[in-house]
Amino acid sequence: EADIYQTPRYLVIGTGKKITLECSQTMGHDKMYWYQQDPGMELHLIHYSYGVNSTEKGDLSSESTVSRIRTEHFPLTLESARPSHTSQYLCASSEPHQGGYTFGSGTRLTVV
Amino acid sequence: SQQGEEDPQALSIQEGENATMNCSYKTSINNLQWYRQNSGRGLVHLILIRSNEREKHSGRLRVTLDTSKKSSSLLITASRAADTASYFCATDTAGNTPLVFGKGTRLSVIA
Repeated sequence: EADIYQTPRYLVIGTGKKITLECSQTMGHDKMYWYQQDPGMELHLIHYSYGVNSTEKGDLSSESTVSRIRTEHFPLTLESARPSHTSQYLCASSEPHQGGYTFGSGTRLTVV
Repeated sequence: SQQGEEDPQALSIQEGENATMNCSYKTSINNLQWYRQNSGRGLVHLILIRSNEREKHSGRLRVTLDTSKKSSSLLITASRAADTASYFCATDTAGNTPLVFGKGTRLSVIA
């Protein structure tokens, strides 16, 4: 069983709303990641963090922000949701020496 | 930026047959990993092969790596309907950067 949790599982919101997608892990992993997965399955890196108070932008980071105040928590915020943000958002974590990633079940976001 | 490319994009086989998926990448790697994703869920790590390894086994999975050709293959032997999923390769390049995933292969195993 994965020890990384994403909430909500599904979300439908209106254009212009501010939303935060939650991600928490209980494994004590320093490294955490957010990926956006489009309908064609391709995963795009949005943001990542290698520890508390450390965040980096990925290839697709515009219009979203992250924070890493606690090791276990890595929330993603969309300041103003648009229909183009409709997608599956996947959170993952890993141990320091780059073994496999553990993924959450994802948040499927629909912006109408 | 896309590093890995899986081939084929989709594969449909009968239960009991073997399934082979290929992954090509562009730059030098530390390791290459394979993941499975069931519909609408997160990815699950299957196997990791390091750049100095050529072959690795895990149960019914066999992974090969050819660094000279910058390619890897995932073989699932004696497939089952439960193997129906999407399979992704991911590369860990030098420089402590996050994994870069390919576009995946959709595998359908028909009972």
